[in-house]
Formats: sequence, C-alpha cells, structure tokens
Amino acid sequence: GAGVSQSPSNKVTEKGKDVELRCDPISGHTALYWYRQSLGQGLEFLIYFQGNSAPDKSGLPSDRFSAERTGGSVSTLTIQRTQQEDSAVYLCASSFPGYLQPQHFGDGTRLSIL
Amino acid sequence: SQQGEEDPQALSIQEGENATMNCSYKTSINNLQWYRQNSGRGLVHLILIRSNEREKHSGRLRVTLDTSKKSSSLLITASRAADTASYFCATLPGGGADGLTFGKGTHLIIQP
Repeated sequence: GAGVSQSPSNKVTEKGKDVELRCDPISGHTALYWYRQSLGQGLEFLIYFQGNSAPDKSGLPSDRFSAERTGGSVSTLTIQRTQQEDSAVYLCASSFPGYLQPQHFGDGTRLSIL
Repeated sequence: SQQGEEDPQALSIQEGENATMNCSYKTSINNLQWYRQNSGRGLVHLILIRSNEREKHSGRLRVTLDTSKKSSSLLITASRAADTASYFCATLPGGGADGLTFGKGTHLIIQP
C-alpha cells in the first residue's frame, strides 16, 4: 500500500497481558516514529528510529514499553504487563530523513485494557 | 510533554466563513507544523513553517509564525464541511530531528 499500515486496528486485552503492535512504514522512509494519543495526555512522542542508528527512547513512559525495527522497515511496539492507563491509540509515522520532512501517519491501533 | 497549546479548544462556524486557530509554544524550535485529524484516523500533514519564516500559504491555508511571541496561527479560508476535523500544531525542538511535540488541538466544526 501507499501509506503507513498499522495492525491490529483495535486490540482489547486483559490487564497484565503483553501486547504487540505493528507498523509497516512507507517504502523508502528511513525515519519511523511511535506516538500515543489519549484523552488525558493528548499526543505524546514515544520512540524514534532513524535507519540503523540506535533509537531515541526518550519518550517511552516506562520499562514495560519497548520497540524494535527489523531490517530498517517494519517496527513492533511491545507493552508488557499492560495496565489500564496504557489504554490509548498508538500511532506510527514515517518520513524521509531530515527535520524538514513531514511525517506520514497510520490510522493507529486503538488499545483497550480491561 | 505538551509544548503547544491551541486556542480555541473548539470552534464552530458556518460553511464559507474563515476559521482561525492559534498555537503557543514554550521552547525554541526548528520548525512548526500543522496537522489535521479526522475522527478515528491518523494525522495528515498540512503545512510546515521554518523558524526563520514568518508566513506561508498552501491553497486555502495560511500559517503565520511569530518566534518572538512563540506563537503561530492557522487560517482556513472559505471553509467547507470537509474541513471538519481536529487541528494540531506540532513543534520540532531546535538541535536536530526528533519526535514532534503536539498541542492538545482545536476541534473545528463547519456547519453546512
């Protein structure tokens, strides 16, 4: 597809379970970002990958959150031992490198923790 | 953390009128961007203005940037029902590429 693809689109899970969210960026985009959108906190930056460089993890809210990017393309965001406050929409974006490049967003994964 | 603050939080106008949204931020920036989000969808990039620019146009959109006041405005002229969405300003901190810092957004409703 032409855009950023995220899966699943919706995920409902019980508190304490682990979840994996997937992001397939636009082909050729070396920069990949994860954000979280919630009613209380708005849009928050989580993590940034650029090519094969070590990711900028400065936005991850706790050590239960981790992300990887395999082969410079697909990325997975993993949340371990989910808590109710993890309920949010998780958005992925990709772009060409450089700070003047617009970010292209997927439609997100809506995560609900019961 | 939230850097940008949009004003107003919600705006309802008649189709054909102009809509103005404002954004304030706190720290120095490399550039400022505006995004639109339709309900249940991801964000769509509208326009980017660099820190050394004061005004930029794109179609019916006009963005201004005042770095001395740390503020920006987005003007949508001749609004259409399809412009109904939430609009967010986002800043990129000075010092290099990193994640965007978003404001809380303005929810714009265009009444047909």
